[in-house]
Amino acid sequence: GDSVTQMEGPVTLSEEAFLTINCTYTATGYPSLFWYVQYPGEGLQLLLKATKADDKGSNKGFEATYRKETTSFHLEKGSVQVSDSAVYFCALSGMGNQFYFGTGTSLTVIP
Amino acid sequence: SQTIHQWPATLVQPVGSPLSLECTVEGTSNPNLYWYRQAAGRGLQLLFYSVGIGQISSEVPQNLSASRPQDRQFILSSKKLLLSDSGFYLCAWSLSGLGWQYFGPGTRLTVT
Repeated sequence: GDSVTQMEGPVTLSEEAFLTINCTYTATGYPSLFWYVQYPGEGLQLLLKATKADDKGSNKGFEATYRKETTSFHLEKGSVQVSDSAVYFCALSGMGNQFYFGTGTSLTVIP
Repeated sequence: SQTIHQWPATLVQPVGSPLSLECTVEGTSNPNLYWYRQAAGRGLQLLFYSVGIGQISSEVPQNLSASRPQDRQFILSSKKLLLSDSGFYLCAWSLSGLGWQYFGPGTRLTVT
């Protein structure tokens, strides 16, 4: 069945460091891919999305490219800020109305 | 624009007591609705989803149930809470063909 695997955390970075959070997927057909962010005590917010191969989703300095050949959708940001500290979830939507989430990666950015 | 509401925001209940959590979506029609649970420091567990009034699919057998009495209302219930029901409950909606979900602010449930 469809699934998402993302890198284990927690991840701790200094401010202005480069961020990569790896995400790979398994799916039949042509899924859409997403990154969600969850700040402490809040619900999930859609951060960015890509609906077909080679699409690049971007928002708030974060980017991810839908790579069909490597079945990946890695999240990157060139310079993280303290305010980026949160839990990040990779997700896909496949056939029907099903959504599949990774286990989440906790990011802490220290000044 | 669409908004999703959940209440209450926090809840502390004793073991064996009943539960009712409510989720309401505004600004859209015929949404697909979802209940997730997130245990402390863990990922999301899909509990129920619904594609229409009265249509509920259960993903995990447990002492929880869900109902959809109106198009944009989704209720999570229990007759008798267990300690293991503690967690952060999230409601989400999507539209068929839209491809992504929007989440509510969540309800923090502590069973004592």
